[in-house]
Amino acid sequence: DVVMTQSPLSLPVTLGQPASISCRSSQSLIHSDGNTYLSWFQQRPGQSPRRLIYKVSNRDSGVPDRFSGSGSGTDFTLKISRVEAEDVGVYYCMQGTHWPRTFGQGTKVEIK
Amino acid sequence: EVQLVQSGAEVKKPGESLRISCKASGYSFTTYWIGWVRQMPGKGLEYMGIIYPGDSNTRYSPSFQGQVTISADKSITTAYLQWSSLKASDTAMYYCMRPLTYSIDSWGQGTLVTVSS
Repeated sequence: DVVMTQSPLSLPVTLGQPASISCRSSQSLIHSDGNTYLSWFQQRPGQSPRRLIYKVSNRDSGVPDRFSGSGSGTDFTLKISRVEAEDVGVYYCMQGTHWPRTFGQGTKVEIK
Repeated sequence: EVQLVQSGAEVKKPGESLRISCKASGYSFTTYWIGWVRQMPGKGLEYMGIIYPGDSNTRYSPSFQGQVTISADKSITTAYLQWSSLKASDTAMYYCMRPLTYSIDSWGQGTLVTVSS
């Protein structure tokens, strides 16, 4: 299985400050069709996950533009330009290139 | 609007069988895959497997192959996750989801399964 490694696992941030989460895969996520299937999900406390980003850098409808995704190959990043109180939760990366699909361990974002 | 509505919480004893459900609406059920993700207490997300209701083609993550059965009834646009003999280690929240374009675009609200003697 492709192992997805996130860092840090815990991220205390000050409101209004930026935050960055890294996700590294044990194999390249470039699919044979040329696309890279790396997604980011947010899980707020007590809620189901929801997708923020797909194919590395495409923001889902309704996702604030303070969220952005970048990266290539095996190295990916989710950035929050200015953290707001509603961003508290756990963030997961997931690869969709290889079977089985696999998630990172999750990064818990909390307010300092 | 895509909606995935799951059945309610369950409390079972080890060795019992269980089937939980996920009612899909807002899209063509038979032309999209649908599947399940496990989240054990205080832990991360694990991709269990998916089914294509149009022809019942099923794919399991190796960790879950033989441990659970995923099925679907296209006449009532409902997917299922079932166990023949539950273990305490099956205690978890189970999320129904729609995989799309090598990602997941929709999630159910979750079904909490508690297995305890």
